[in-house]
Amino acid sequence: DIQMTQSPSSMSVSLGDTVTITCRASQDVGIYVNWFQQKPGKSPRRMIYRATNLADGVPSRFSGSRSGSDYSLTISSLESEDVADYHCLQYDEYPYTFGAGTKLELK
Amino acid sequence: EVQLVESGGGLVKPGSSLKLSCVASGFTFSSYGMHWIRQAPKKGLEWIALIYYDSSNKYYADSVKGRFTISRDNSKNTLYLEMNSLRSEDTAMYYCAKGGVPYVMDAWGQGASVTVSS
Repeated sequence: DIQMTQSPSSMSVSLGDTVTITCRASQDVGIYVNWFQQKPGKSPRRMIYRATNLADGVPSRFSGSRSGSDYSLTISSLESEDVADYHCLQYDEYPYTFGAGTKLELK
Repeated sequence: EVQLVESGGGLVKPGSSLKLSCVASGFTFSSYGMHWIRQAPKKGLEWIALIYYDSSNKYYADSVKGRFTISRDNSKNTLYLEMNSLRSEDTAMYYCAKGGVPYVMDAWGQGASVTVSS
């Protein structure tokens, strides 16, 4: 199975920060990576699809990038509503696999 | 508006069975693959199954293969997950999610809670 190694597992952040979360794929997954945001007690929400595409209704301060087998989610000028858990997903190969998640917490 | 509503969760004993349902609305259900994903308490997300739009293909995580069955009834806009031989480690919130490539998991239900405990 493809492993998605997500880092960091948690991050202490301040409003206005630029935040970057990374997933490293254990083998080539091409562009087939999504990023999801999950707030406490809520369902996940797709933020980025195909590594770099912003999902409908997602603020432009969110962006996705790829460098080789490293996939990153960047939040520019963090707002309070962005404090949440974030998960990456590879869907290049079955079984689909998620990263372990990153928890953003306010300082 | 896309809506996915799961039901059928509950508290069951180890070794028992349970069937979850996910009723879809707001899109042409019969045109999209559908997923089940679960999340154990305080843990990350785990993809567990996918069914193609026409039920022609089904894929499972190793952790549930042979015990869980994904199915759908396009006439009822409903996705199912039949869970047999339940174990304590199957305790989780179970989500259905819409979409095969390129729409993978572009909408999620609110989840159905399954607790397996004696």
